[in-house]
Amino acid sequence: GAVVSQHPSWVICKSGTSVKIECRSLDFQATTMFWYRQFPKQSLMLMATSNEGSKATYEQGVEKDKFLINHASLTLSTLTVTSAHPEDSSFYICSARDPPSDYEQYFGPGTRLTVT
Amino acid sequence: LAKTTQPISMDSYEGQEVNITCSHNNIATNDYITWYQQFPSQGPRFIIQGYKTKVTNEVASLFIPADRKSSTLSLPRVSLSDTAVYYCLSSSYNQGGKLIFGQGTELSVKP
Repeated sequence: GAVVSQHPSWVICKSGTSVKIECRSLDFQATTMFWYRQFPKQSLMLMATSNEGSKATYEQGVEKDKFLINHASLTLSTLTVTSAHPEDSSFYICSARDPPSDYEQYFGPGTRLTVT
Repeated sequence: LAKTTQPISMDSYEGQEVNITCSHNNIATNDYITWYQQFPSQGPRFIIQGYKTKVTNEVASLFIPADRKSSTLSLPRVSLSDTAVYYCLSSSYNQGGKLIFGQGTELSVKP
């Protein structure tokens, strides 16, 4: 099956700094990638849809200036958490669709962000 | 995208068959049902997907009645390693692949 990787798998940063998380489709090209956030004991919450070569589409309530998404190539999307605060500490997960099976999504292993 | 409702938790024992039912009363004609499995601190893993009737693969079966207002994920002979959260989602080819996760069912398999 298709493989999606994320880097780093975990990161600790200080409050006020920015952190970049990478999401890569390893063996397929993904025109669309999705970013989710998951707090402990909670479900995944869709943050945004990342489209290659165009601006991301953010879900209601997600600050686009705080969570910068770039999808510059068909295999890479990045999520940058700007001016991170402790409340941004969470598990961030990306997923990608694998054409022509557009209905199936493959999820990355997730990135644990801790802001101190 | 239809909202889905599933039990918050379920307990089972090794070797038993587990059936998790999901309600999706407002499912649209174009929606299909997908189930994912998630272990702690990992991304979700695709289990099975269907539109109606019965679908079976090497790990599970999915039963969707004719009215499609509910679906049942069946896990045959569970083991301890099946302890995880199971999510039922409805989505449409026309929604750009967007998936909205509900609360999921936390399955605990005991020896």
